[in-house]
Amino acid sequence: EIVLTQSPGTLSSSPGERATLSCRASQSVSSSYLAWYQQRPGQAPRLLIYGASSRATGIPDRFSGSGSETDFTLTISRLEPEDFAVYYCQQNTGSWTFGQGTKVEIK
Amino acid sequence: EVQLVESEGGLVQPGGSLRLSCAASGFTLSNYWMHWVRQAPGKGLVWVSFINYDGSTTNYADSVKGRFTISRDNAKNTLYLQMNSLRAEDTAVYYCVRGGALRSLDYWGQGTLVTVSS
Repeated sequence: EIVLTQSPGTLSSSPGERATLSCRASQSVSSSYLAWYQQRPGQAPRLLIYGASSRATGIPDRFSGSGSETDFTLTISRLEPEDFAVYYCQQNTGSWTFGQGTKVEIK
Repeated sequence: EVQLVESEGGLVQPGGSLRLSCAASGFTLSNYWMHWVRQAPGKGLVWVSFINYDGSTTNYADSVKGRFTISRDNAKNTLYLQMNSLRAEDTAVYYCVRGGALRSLDYWGQGTLVTVSS
């Protein structure tokens, strides 16, 4: 089973700053099958990025994804107040697995 | 509008059983893979199970294999998760999720809490 490790565990940032979240896989992942999700407190997760770099419907362009093989990145260009949340990466090579999450909190 | 509405969970004793259902609307269920994903209180997301368009292919996380069964009734626009031999570690919010492009998970229900405790 492929293990996804996200870093940092917690990112303390201010509104307007750039946020860079990392997702590292224990073995090569098809970049077609790498996705990112946002989960706000008390809410269900929401798909942000699929295929490593494609934004889901209705997702603002301040969210972008990149990477390949074992290293993937989610970038939020300018943090808005509603972006403070937990973010998960997910892959499907065989079965579906999630990273442990990165919490983006207000500094 | 895509909607996924899970049935109410509840409190179940260890070793007990519970069947969750998920009512789908706003799209044609038979055109999509479907999944269950769970989240223990204060923890991260864990994929539980997948079912293909017509139910001919299913897959399970090792932690639930042999105990949980996913199924679907496309005519009723409903997804199911039969959970048997429940354990305390199965306590979680269970989400019904639609399979999206490139094996992503594009729409999520609001979740239902299952608590396994004596």
